[in-house]
Amino acid sequence: DQQVKQNSPSLSVQEGRISILNCDYTNSMFDYFLWYKKYPAEGPTFLISISSIKDKNEDGRFTVFLNKSAKHLSLHIVPSQPGDSAVYFCAASLHSGNTPLVFGKGTRLSVIA
Amino acid sequence: DVKVTQSSRYLVKRTGEKVFLECVQDMDHENMFWYRQDPGLGLRLIYFSYDVKMKEKGDIPEGYSVSREKKERFSLILESASTNQTSMYLCASSFGTGVDQPQHFGDGTRLSIL
Repeated sequence: DQQVKQNSPSLSVQEGRISILNCDYTNSMFDYFLWYKKYPAEGPTFLISISSIKDKNEDGRFTVFLNKSAKHLSLHIVPSQPGDSAVYFCAASLHSGNTPLVFGKGTRLSVIA
Repeated sequence: DVKVTQSSRYLVKRTGEKVFLECVQDMDHENMFWYRQDPGLGLRLIYFSYDVKMKEKGDIPEGYSVSREKKERFSLILESASTNQTSMYLCASSFGTGVDQPQHFGDGTRLSIL
């Protein structure tokens, strides 16, 4: 049973516009959520995280929103750039630090110039 | 910057061979993890370790074992390689409990079993 779901396998966005990547989870005990970006033939790179005590976290062009009642989080990228084209993974864990992450299957973002 | 180094980027081995994948981190992290990534399946956890000589099974440990003799090094062992173990293998590390800390990944080893 998939505990972290990214229902859109792919997304295309025009350069300069907003990219919104979505993620749903089923385990209400998850309390730490992360987004990773992955280029082909490289390891995932940590982008941004949020703990369950917050509903928003910003870092430059990247903002993560958490809706605990809906068990939903989203990543907003504004403005989108061609270099943002990659696979984005949503991940969650029960406790921070040493608890393994549970990953979604990823969403491939293509930013078109 | 955190540095997680995997010993090989690409590796080709034969069915039945014993295969060692090495991972080293330079940030004194307590926790280390091995994942495999397959198309359409995302990242799946094989094994993880909270401390030296400690190991815990992940979601798909069958056919694998691990070794953590030193804090900075975590090895993944394919006891007798099979073609269904052809995959991208990713090592990660993180600090211990107490604070929200992300896992940091190496660049991966693309392993082909022929």
